Amino acid sequence: EAQLVESGGGLVKAGGSLRLSCDASGFSFSTYSLNWIRQAPGRGLEWVASISTTGDYIYYADSLKGRFTISRDNMNNSVFLQVDSLRVEDTAVYYCVRFLAGIGAFDLWGQGTAVTVSS
Amino acid sequence: SYELTQPPSVSVSPGQTARITCFADALTKQYAYWYQQKPGQAPILLIYKDNERPSGIPERFSGSSSGSTVTLTISGVQAEDEGDYYCQSADSSGPWIFGGGTKLTVL
Repeated sequence: EAQLVESGGGLVKAGGSLRLSCDASGFSFSTYSLNWIRQAPGRGLEWVASISTTGDYIYYADSLKGRFTISRDNMNNSVFLQVDSLRVEDTAVYYCVRFLAGIGAFDLWGQGTAVTVSS
Repeated sequence: SYELTQPPSVSVSPGQTARITCFADALTKQYAYWYQQKPGQAPILLIYKDNERPSGIPERFSGSSSGSTVTLTISGVQAEDEGDYYCQSADSSGPWIFGGGTKLTVL
């Protein structure tokens, strides 16, 4: 069964950093682009970043450029999100999400890892 | 950039039909996608490319588009359909954006 499992979330003070990880299993990891999508408490979904199959193409939401860095390790079937200079408004559940290019949709979601930024 | 506009809430009685709309000018050129999220769970894909249904999604879920508006229709709503529904599309500065979400309440 294909699945994505996030880790690395937690409580951090504003200005700090976190590295979120996502471990994939049950599918050919290197053939899919991966994304991070976040959801603030009681709010909607916000796409954060995308990385292509080889890591050659990386995209970020305009409002988040400069503080977020997405990367992947195809040997170990993992994708990462480094978040620096954390702000209170970065508090959210961060989902690791697979993109299925054939249908152009986010077809597999992890359960998410919660990040809480305190002031 | 642009926004995808959804009604905040829709209420319907069991067995009736629920319609959730999503409006944006760019939808005349971009496909729309729909996701369902139940409390405490991750979203799941319901509809792709305006009106296609992934395997495993019940036939009561369907999508349609007309001009700048796409619609998710749930026929014969069941209590288990209660949750939040999000439309999603591509943004020229994006690449991806989501609507604000619609809370479906089954009365």
